Amino acid sequence: QVQLQESGPGLVKPSETLSLTCTVSGDSISYYYWSWIRQPPGKELEWIGFIYSSGSTHYNPSLKSRVTMSVDTSKNQFSLMLRSVTAADTAVYYCARGGSSYFKFWGQGTLVTVSS
Amino acid sequence: EIVMTQSAATLSVFPGERATLSCRASQSVGSNLAWYQQKPGQAPRLLIYDASTRDTGIPARFSGSGSGTEFTLTISSLQSEDFAVYYCQQYNNWPFTFGPGTIVDIK
Repeated sequence: QVQLQESGPGLVKPSETLSLTCTVSGDSISYYYWSWIRQPPGKELEWIGFIYSSGSTHYNPSLKSRVTMSVDTSKNQFSLMLRSVTAADTAVYYCARGGSSYFKFWGQGTLVTVSS
Repeated sequence: EIVMTQSAATLSVFPGERATLSCRASQSVGSNLAWYQQKPGQAPRLLIYDASTRDTGIPARFSGSGSGTEFTLTISSLQSEDFAVYYCQQYNNWPFTFGPGTIVDIK
């Protein structure tokens, strides 16, 4: 069974960079699309973007100028960086397998709060 | 960007009754639509993909239908564990987008 686990700081200061890593177990990260999705408290889900195992990416235009994703196949991990964060970026961040269609496997999510 | 809307913010249903949830896309997404169930403090769980295909292990009381811009998720006989938030998601065009969700609660 594929399992995903997000890790990273739960508190980020305004204007700084949010950095999260997703560790995949139970399957190889290769040959799949991997996405980041976020959910502000009490609000709907927003797809941030995907990275393919080869390193190719596609980002949501609403966040494209601030987002960078990367993948480390040797560690079976992929990562998210979101620059210049504000309070509006406070959300539960999920990693998930998928990016060309639906999302079958999700991490448990990690709450990131942007506050000074 | 394709905007997804879900017509009922909240649906109040008696246990054992049928629940019918609606999802509409601002332009055609073909059959490239998924439904998810989310319970408090949990990640969304995939129920239906390709508009009408149940994911592995999803009970038969969940069914999906529709194509183009209009979609429906039906729960034939609500069980206690089905009270949750349900989201639709289109994957016909990037950026993938989700609906705002329908809360199914106990009447």
